[in-house]
Amino acid sequence: DAGVTQSPTHLIKTRGQHVTLRCSPISGHKSVSWYQQVLGQGPQFIFQYYEKEERGRGNFPDRFSARQFPNYSSELNVNALLLGDSALYLCASSRRSGESYEQYFGPGTRLTVT
Amino acid sequence: GIQVEQSPPDLILQEGANSTLRCNFSDSVNNLQWFHQNPWGQLINLFYIPSGTKQNGRLSATTVATERYSLLYISSSQTTDSGVYFCAVATDGSSNTGKLIFGQGTTLQVKP
Repeated sequence: DAGVTQSPTHLIKTRGQHVTLRCSPISGHKSVSWYQQVLGQGPQFIFQYYEKEERGRGNFPDRFSARQFPNYSSELNVNALLLGDSALYLCASSRRSGESYEQYFGPGTRLTVT
Repeated sequence: GIQVEQSPPDLILQEGANSTLRCNFSDSVNNLQWFHQNPWGQLINLFYIPSGTKQNGRLSATTVATERYSLLYISSSQTTDSGVYFCAVATDGSSNTGKLIFGQGTTLQVKP
């Protein structure tokens, strides 16, 4: 079975622009979470979606938004990009929402804001 | 919120050596996962181990939930083991999202 997939792999944007990142979960997984990893740190939780509903949100500004589609794929949108948004964005999927379910990560999208 | 501390922050080994990585957490948890992040950024699942002991080849892990720590053992290390090892825990309270809280990681370099 295919693992979690993310697109694009790399992206370069200019300050003030917006960006859309995409994620497809493992087949049969209904929960998708997004994490941001800046250089030298561990990933930080941004959002979790389960059955197309937002189930959790981390400490990120309203410029960050996400949604989940009926096929359980997900998009992360970031508006008004700042230099500090440069990071590796990771998507994780799990069978369901909740701490009892192992999460599996995709390869990430590396975003550079200039 | 819960704090996750990993030690050591950096580790350099000769190929063939054994090592132990530690993860301490400040509150009770219901999920603990160990990951290996390769040079391309991919997080590879090593263990899902909220308690007990598991082994997978040269790797094994033990979580003592009552004492709030987990250990990752790497035996007969290989150069391909190089990378960053993360411990991540989940303790949801009322939210039940399963969001993972990561430690700062241990950077392992295995020299040939």
